[in-house]
Amino acid sequence: GNSVTQMEGPVTLSEEAFLTINCTYTATGYPSLFWYVQYPGEGLQLLLKATKADDKGSNKGFEATYRKETTSFHLEKGSVQVSDSAVYFCALTRRQGGSEKLVFGKGMKLTVNP
Amino acid sequence: GAVVSQHPSRVICKSGTSVKIECRSLDFQATTMFWYRQFPKKSLMLMATSNEGSKATYEQGVEKDKFLINHASLTLSTLTVTSAHPEDSSFYICSARDSRMATGELFFGEGSRLTVL
Repeated sequence: GNSVTQMEGPVTLSEEAFLTINCTYTATGYPSLFWYVQYPGEGLQLLLKATKADDKGSNKGFEATYRKETTSFHLEKGSVQVSDSAVYFCALTRRQGGSEKLVFGKGMKLTVNP
Repeated sequence: GAVVSQHPSRVICKSGTSVKIECRSLDFQATTMFWYRQFPKKSLMLMATSNEGSKATYEQGVEKDKFLINHASLTLSTLTVTSAHPEDSSFYICSARDSRMATGELFFGEGSRLTVL
């Protein structure tokens, strides 16, 4: 079935450090891929997405490229800020019963120190 | 942007009692809402799809008589944990998509933390 495997962390970085969060997936067909972020005390928010191979999603300095050959969607940011401290979830969609449903990875908690 | 609100954000109850959690879409209509359960250090697990005006669709392994879902209007879905036990303690999250869009961004509530004593 469809599944997502991502780095679990937790990870602590200093401000301005480079960030990579690995995410690989297993899926039938061609799913859409997502990164969601959950800031402390808030609900999940869509950070970025990619709907087909070689697409690059980007938002708030974060980027991820849909790599079909390696079934990966790694999240990167060149210089993290304290405000990036959050839990990051990789996810994909699967279609079931006429509706699209999200399948999530386990999430990775990132703490950025000043 | 679109907002989904859950209530209560935290609830503590005694074993054997029932607890209702509400999920509201505040500025859009949602014919479909999703209920997730999140365990510590685990991913979000989809429990069921809530369909306005019809029965919810439950994922495999989720007890429909245990987790009652009612989607009575286009802006409200409720999850009732019946005869709660300590193992039901968890973080419950709902999400919804604007009905006007066949596909599109899912908006998530802030989550409801249930603790069963």
